[in-house]
Amino acid sequence: SSELTQPPSVSVSPRQAATITCSGDKLQDKFVSWYLQRPGQSPLLLIYQDFKRPSGIPERFSASNSGNTATLTISGTQDSDEADYYCQAWDSTTVAFGGGTKLTVL
Amino acid sequence: QMQLQESGPGLVKPSQTLSLTCAVTGGSVGTADYFWTWIRQPPGKGLEWIGYIFYSGRTHYNPSLKNRITMSVDTSQNHFSLNLTSVTAGDTAVYFCARGGFTYGSFVIWGQGSQVTVSS
Repeated sequence: SSELTQPPSVSVSPRQAATITCSGDKLQDKFVSWYLQRPGQSPLLLIYQDFKRPSGIPERFSASNSGNTATLTISGTQDSDEADYYCQAWDSTTVAFGGGTKLTVL
Repeated sequence: QMQLQESGPGLVKPSQTLSLTCAVTGGSVGTADYFWTWIRQPPGKGLEWIGYIFYSGRTHYNPSLKNRITMSVDTSQNHFSLNLTSVTAGDTAVYFCARGGFTYGSFVIWGQGSQVTVSS
């Protein structure tokens, strides 16, 4: 199955760590990417190959992928991190997106 | 710096065909290192992968849409296209084109998105 499950929403206080999960069958056998999307904008790649950051992405964005769950962690969350976050899996053939998680910085 | 730009009609009538083109600038669509993808986002909802095409013309479509999709690539015009037939209101969405890297399947470059509304 290519279905990926994310929590619809996550809340975090400023400067605290936020964790967003992405669950899918045998996800560790696939490459997982993570995207941030602000209202009215195109998604922005945050993480590729499970844990790597493209140039320009702050170190406070980190990720892992093990078993059936991939995890995105935002350390020292800032107000500007309030956005929708999507995981995406690739198995060399098929693309699948998670349903998205709205991160609220309280 | 490569850029992608979607173009097409913003309004399509039910049962008709939605046609979009993604123009590639700052680079060539004729490379084996990448695949060219369409992704859509219905209003207030998440991202849905539609399908992708290589410069060779090889395609792979989302099984839920594959009976209605045709993708093509034009290396002379440096663009790729999407046709979605028999549209309904459920096809109303922002349609994004994106460049995918074959090794890790991630999308670094995205178009700005094209709003398509299906309505009579």
